[in-house]
Amino acid sequence: DAGVTQSPTHLIKTRGQHVTLRCSPISGHKSVSWYQQVLGQGPQFIFQYYEKEERGRGNFPDRFSARQFPNYSSELNVNALLLGDSALYLCASSIGLAGVYEQYFGPGTRLTVT
Amino acid sequence: AQSVTQPDIHITVSEGASLELRCNYSYGATPYLFWYVQSPGQGLQLLLKYFSGDTLVQGIKGFEAEFKRSQSSFNLRKPSVHWSDAAEYFCAVGADVEYGNKLVFGAGTILRVKS
Repeated sequence: DAGVTQSPTHLIKTRGQHVTLRCSPISGHKSVSWYQQVLGQGPQFIFQYYEKEERGRGNFPDRFSARQFPNYSSELNVNALLLGDSALYLCASSIGLAGVYEQYFGPGTRLTVT
Repeated sequence: AQSVTQPDIHITVSEGASLELRCNYSYGATPYLFWYVQSPGQGLQLLLKYFSGDTLVQGIKGFEAEFKRSQSSFNLRKPSVHWSDAAEYFCAVGADVEYGNKLVFGAGTILRVKS
């Protein structure tokens, strides 16, 4: 079975631009979560979507938004990029709500903001 | 607030030696606990999880972890380390609906294996 997939693998953007990252969960998983991992740190929770509804939000500014589609895939959008947004963005899927069910992670999207 | 502390940033062990990675958590209810491993440039792979029941849990790749409620700890162990175990290891606590439906990760421990 395919695991969690993310696209693109790498991305280079300029300050002030907008970016969209995409994630496809494991088949049968209804929950998708997004995490930001800055170099040298553990992943930080951004959002969780379950059955197309936002079910959790981390301490990130409103420049960050996400949505989940009827096929349970998800997009993470970041507006007005800052240098500090450079990080590895990880998507994770689970059968049920994150925190209670184990999450399976994709390979990540490496975003570099110049 | 939920938090996870991994006191060791780096650990170096010899191949074939035993390993213990420390993890302490802070959580207001019965915790769901996880260990993940991350190889350079890759995503996280789940090693094992604790939800309830037996406090010693077995995972993949020969890893095990012991939940100690009195010490708020969930240390990861392996009796004999292989060179391929070199990676970064993350401990995480799962926060349920009351605490935000998320995983809260520690800062990670980088394991180096010397031959």
